Amino acid sequence: KAGVTQTPRYLIKTRGQQVTLSCSPISGHRSVSWYQQTPGQGLQFLFEYFSETQRNKGNFPGRFSGRQFSNSRSEMNVSTLELGDSALYLCASSLVAPNYNEQFFGPGTRLTVL
Amino acid sequence: SQQGEEDPQALSIQEGENATMNCSYKTSINNLQWYRQNSGRGLVHLILIRSNEREKHSGRLRVTLDTSKKSSSLLITASRAADTASYFCATDQAGTALIFGKGTTLSVSS
Repeated sequence: KAGVTQTPRYLIKTRGQQVTLSCSPISGHRSVSWYQQTPGQGLQFLFEYFSETQRNKGNFPGRFSGRQFSNSRSEMNVSTLELGDSALYLCASSLVAPNYNEQFFGPGTRLTVL
Repeated sequence: SQQGEEDPQALSIQEGENATMNCSYKTSINNLQWYRQNSGRGLVHLILIRSNEREKHSGRLRVTLDTSKKSSSLLITASRAADTASYFCATDQAGTALIFGKGTTLSVSS
């Protein structure tokens, strides 16, 4: 089985711009979670989608949004980028639920905001 | 707030030694998981332990869970240089989301 893929792998944006990151889960996995990782805050949960519905949401401002398509692929969007949004964004998929099944992580998208 | 908090933050050992990392959390959980991350890459799942389990083994890994103390430990026996990585515990909230701690950075030197 192919692993979780994330595109793009690297991204450089300027403040005020918006960005869309994409995640393709492992075939058959219906749950997709997104995380932001920074040296200062560590791994922070953004949101989790299951069957096209947002099932859980972390404590992030409304500038961060996401969606899941019928084929389980997911995208996350960050609008009005700030310097503090520079981070590694990780996507993970699991069969049904991340807490009951192991999660498989993608390699991440490294976002730099200038 | 983050559920899991690992201790120590950093650990340096020699090859062949055992490494023990601890995780504490604040509210009741259904499951606890441990993940490994090599230098800025994606995380790899190591082991999942359910709240009704006390101990679990996987190869050189041994995980314990004490729900009364709200803590877990990960033991890596006979460490190798390839075990150098950051290790995270993750716990679930009332829903299905996983919350990660800040991790323990393990350095194994030969």
